[in-house]
Amino acid sequence: DQQVKQNSPSLSVQEGRISILNCDYTNSMFDYFLWYKKYPAEGPTFLISISSIKDKNEDGRFTVFLNKSAKHLSLHIVPSQPGDSAVYFCAAYASGGGADGLTFGKGTHLIIQP
Amino acid sequence: GAGVSQSPRYKVAKRGQDVALRCDPISGHVSLFWYQQALGQGPEFLTYFQNEAQLDKSGLPSDRFFAERPEGSVSTLKIQRTQQEDSAVYLCASSLGRMNTEAFFGQGTRLTVV
Repeated sequence: DQQVKQNSPSLSVQEGRISILNCDYTNSMFDYFLWYKKYPAEGPTFLISISSIKDKNEDGRFTVFLNKSAKHLSLHIVPSQPGDSAVYFCAAYASGGGADGLTFGKGTHLIIQP
Repeated sequence: GAGVSQSPRYKVAKRGQDVALRCDPISGHVSLFWYQQALGQGPEFLTYFQNEAQLDKSGLPSDRFFAERPEGSVSTLKIQRTQQEDSAVYLCASSLGRMNTEAFFGQGTRLTVV
């Protein structure tokens, strides 16, 4: 049973527009969420994170929003650039117990169209 | 080196063969994680070390999988009697502190069992 779900396998966005990647989770124990970016043949690279005590975290062009009641988070990229084309993974962690590793979604392949 | 280094990058093994995958974490990083990423899936947690202590091995899929980090730096993931379902990319990650948040990933070892 997938505890972290990314329901869009791929997303195509025009350069300069906003990219919105979505993630849903089922485990209410999760209290820390991360987004990773992955290029082909490379390992995932940390992008941005958010603690459950916040509902928004911003870093340059990247903003993550967390809606705890809906168990939903989203990553906004504004403006989208060609270098943003990659697979984006949502990941979650329960600091209060459970496995020590992150629980990842299946990823969303973001394609930025020129 | 500056990042997490994994070797070999690619490994082809015949079914039933034993394999050993190596991870060199970032120098001084206390925490080390192994993940398995099957095709089209997100990384799945296998095991966690804090220095030389293996604190969590809840994600290891069977007793054919064994990991060690004897001196608290380099780690080896060993798979005995490999099977086709073991084919995946094996990712290693390290982080400075106890938390796995913002861990740095290596490029992974792609294991193909034929």
